[in-house]
Amino acid sequence: EDKVVQSPLSLVVHEGDTVTLNCSYEVTNFRSLLWYKQEKKAPTFLFMLTSSGIEKKSGRLSSILDKKELSSILNITATQTGDSAIYLCAGRGDDKIIFGKGTRLHILP
Amino acid sequence: GAGVSQSPRYKVAKRGQDVALRCDPISGHVSLFWYQQALGQGPEFLTYFQNEAQLDKSGLPSDRFFAERPEGSVSTLKIQRTQQEDSAVYLCASSSGLYNEQFFGPGTRLTVL
Repeated sequence: EDKVVQSPLSLVVHEGDTVTLNCSYEVTNFRSLLWYKQEKKAPTFLFMLTSSGIEKKSGRLSSILDKKELSSILNITATQTGDSAIYLCAGRGDDKIIFGKGTRLHILP
Repeated sequence: GAGVSQSPRYKVAKRGQDVALRCDPISGHVSLFWYQQALGQGPEFLTYFQNEAQLDKSGLPSDRFFAERPEGSVSTLKIQRTQQEDSAVYLCASSSGLYNEQFFGPGTRLTVL
């Protein structure tokens, strides 16, 4: 059965800390791995990863895919209170997209 | 607007009522997805359209759920005889292709009493 598992489920850190969020996937006919940020509204897209070992970067956020380990990580450096959100990972196969339960990140000022 | 829109934003239904949720995708987007997100969970895939064709409806939880996109643009998700476990946020997303970035609408929060 296809599944996406994220860890940790929740994380509380202080502003300025660096965090690493994990995602593992088992998706039939895997095509890409997606990261989203969800605040009190619909998820907003962060990254789409299709190739193993190539880091994608956007400001303080970066992500990389390891197809051998069937996993991905999302790094956030120098965290800010505005980074507080749920971070969703999703694996896309041929005909569907499967989301993990998300990591709830809370940044303390 | 240029984004995905959904209506209504909030819907309260009595158990047993039928509801219809609407999604207006980004103009020109051929792919349209419906998701159900329960409180504290990630979005769960419900169904997917390519233009007017419903290519995958494997995520629909029961035959009370029905989706259509008759002209390949606006889509409607209908839930018949609503039950309390149907309470969730229903998200619609569209993309220019199955493997392209999905843009989400704001969602419809359905509460079944």
